[in-house]
Amino acid sequence: EVQLVESGGGLEKPGGSLRLSCLVSGFTFSHAWMSWVRQAPGKGLEWVGRIRSKGDGGSTDYAAPVRGRITISRDDSKNTLFLELDYLKIEDTAVYYCATAGPHCGGDCGRWGYWGLGSLVTVSS
Amino acid sequence: DIQMTQSPSSLSASVGDRVTITCRASQSISRYLNWYQQKPGKAPTLLIYAASNLQSGVPSRFSGSGSGTDFALTISSLQSEDFATYYCQQSYSSPLAFGGGTKVGIK
Repeated sequence: EVQLVESGGGLEKPGGSLRLSCLVSGFTFSHAWMSWVRQAPGKGLEWVGRIRSKGDGGSTDYAAPVRGRITISRDDSKNTLFLELDYLKIEDTAVYYCATAGPHCGGDCGRWGYWGLGSLVTVSS
Repeated sequence: DIQMTQSPSSLSASVGDRVTITCRASQSISRYLNWYQQKPGKAPTLLIYAASNLQSGVPSRFSGSGSGTDFALTISSLQSEDFATYYCQQSYSSPLAFGGGTKVGIK
């Protein structure tokens, strides 16, 4: 059974930093492209960024609202995806989901059939 | 960047109704269009990928159509468990983007 489990959320202060983790089980994590998606309270879904598998170069893409403040990384030996977000703003308050198409996604790694339950991050003074 | 526009933003329907939600991309995305369902407090679930392919386990009353810039999600006969919010999402190019969502409520 595929499982994605986020952790690391909580209350953070404006200007601070957050680090989220996503532990993946049930498939070969190293082959998967991984994304982070967030959802502010009562709002829609917003893609935050992604990291390719190392076999596909391991590079990252980030959304404009977080570019320059975000780092997505992975530890394939621990089946874990990370998100670091610095210089936090009130508007970064959201549930953060990790999501993936799974391994061997072929020509479309941006269709996410697997999601975590989400981790709530609240940015408030 | 590609913008995704969904309509309507909300609708009210009855069980058994046929419901169609549309999604328009600001430029051609071929068939790199996915549809998700989200219920309150839950993670989204993938319904349709590549514009018209039904994700495994999704009921056949859901269908998708379109290519290029114009797409649609149709529920042929709305069931009580279908009351939820639906999102389109383009996976053609980065930055990946969602539509604003369509909330399907009970009439």
